[in-house]
Amino acid sequence: GESVGLHLPTLSVQEGDNSIINCAYSNSASDYFIWYKQESGKGPQFIIDIRSNMDKRQGQRVTVLLNKTVKHLSLQIAATQPGDSAVYFCAESSGYSTLTFGKGTMLLVSP
Amino acid sequence: DTGVSQDPRHKITKRGQNVTFRCDPISEHNRLYWYRQTLGQGPEFLTYFQNEAQLEKSRLLSDRFSAERPKGSFSTLEIQRTEQGDSAMYLCASSPAPALNSPLHFGNGTRLTVT
Repeated sequence: GESVGLHLPTLSVQEGDNSIINCAYSNSASDYFIWYKQESGKGPQFIIDIRSNMDKRQGQRVTVLLNKTVKHLSLQIAATQPGDSAVYFCAESSGYSTLTFGKGTMLLVSP
Repeated sequence: DTGVSQDPRHKITKRGQNVTFRCDPISEHNRLYWYRQTLGQGPEFLTYFQNEAQLEKSRLLSDRFSAERPKGSFSTLEIQRTEQGDSAMYLCASSPAPALNSPLHFGNGTRLTVT
């Protein structure tokens, strides 16, 4: 099958570890941020979102942290599983603008 | 399956031919988006509709590209006189409106290969 991970930064972890994927954004006016997971041959799948009036939001096994001062977004995945292996994208928007995606990070989880 | 559906999943065409892709969004979603994704890159915005109105088009959308959503439900994306540089994954997404910001729900894309 195809790979969407060519030339992407890669994070390799062991099953059960916690993973942290980072994203820097450039538009200081961005006020909405999303993390997507993309498996090979599939479209991006929504994981979690956060608005700029928050600095942390938790989901099931995932936490998103937003630092507006340094324009940094991170996705933390607890107890990473082999099924978490995929490419992860952050995306941002401001006001009514459409989502702009970052370049992605490949997460590889070994059993 | 009530997700976003795209057809075909794969399309191989010769340079110069026209191709058309179809997207069926989640039924209660008013907004429909087209993105393009090349290997190793994030999706790039092409255009979006709210109901049948095409509200925004990216500079990436050359005049060989046209998108329609005639009844505010499914959408088609046509590429005329395809070029090798058009080879990419074409992704469709939908979201509810009038929410200012809400997640886009993506289909699994149409992979276009221009030979």
